[in-house]
Amino acid sequence: QQQVKQSPQSLIVQKGGISIINCAYENTAFDYFPWYQQFPGKGPALLIAIRPDVSEKKEGRFTISFNKSAKQFSLHIMDSQPGDSATYFCAASMEYGNKLVFGAGTILRVKS
Amino acid sequence: KAGVTQTPRYLIKTRGQQVTLSCSPISGHRSVSWYQQTPGQGLQFLFEYFSETQRNKGNFPGRFSGRQFSNSRSEMNVSTLELGDSALYLCASSLYTGPYEQYFGPGTRLTVT
Repeated sequence: QQQVKQSPQSLIVQKGGISIINCAYENTAFDYFPWYQQFPGKGPALLIAIRPDVSEKKEGRFTISFNKSAKQFSLHIMDSQPGDSATYFCAASMEYGNKLVFGAGTILRVKS
Repeated sequence: KAGVTQTPRYLIKTRGQQVTLSCSPISGHRSVSWYQQTPGQGLQFLFEYFSETQRNKGNFPGRFSGRQFSNSRSEMNVSTLELGDSALYLCASSLYTGPYEQYFGPGTRLTVT
């Protein structure tokens, strides 16, 4: 019930293409869903986050789509660039506290 | 604004020893959370501190402990180190206990031999 399942494990996209990473959860008490980007040797960097009262949030080339009834959310990276090559983590947190439950991560490679 | 800082960045310890890691949050942030990252288990929550009080704890043995000081700086301690404790230990700071946006530091790479 505490798990967040992330797919795919790895993804190769051509430069300019759309990268899509999906996550699913079981615990309906989750109330906050952030995405993080991590480069080798660095800590995760917050990309974008959404709460269940909205179905979509866009920031620049990054969009979160959220389906509350299906308990799924996804990250879309438009116009993917080689500099986007990194590991992406989805996460979820409950209403109270800052405990994040992370997905297993997706290694994205954007080919130029 | 300066980001989250963690010291030391790298550490090598021997099995059975203990270790203390330090985290300075972003100025003005009052919540500090700690996570362990390993290739096998991924990112796992250790604990959160807010206003010097532990707010939440993950599923780790009692060898893992932490504290927060009045200036919001935090330390975590691991006693009786085991080989399996080798990991990247990440600290994240947030304005309040939340859920709020959390910003991670670069981590401390701990190797236990």
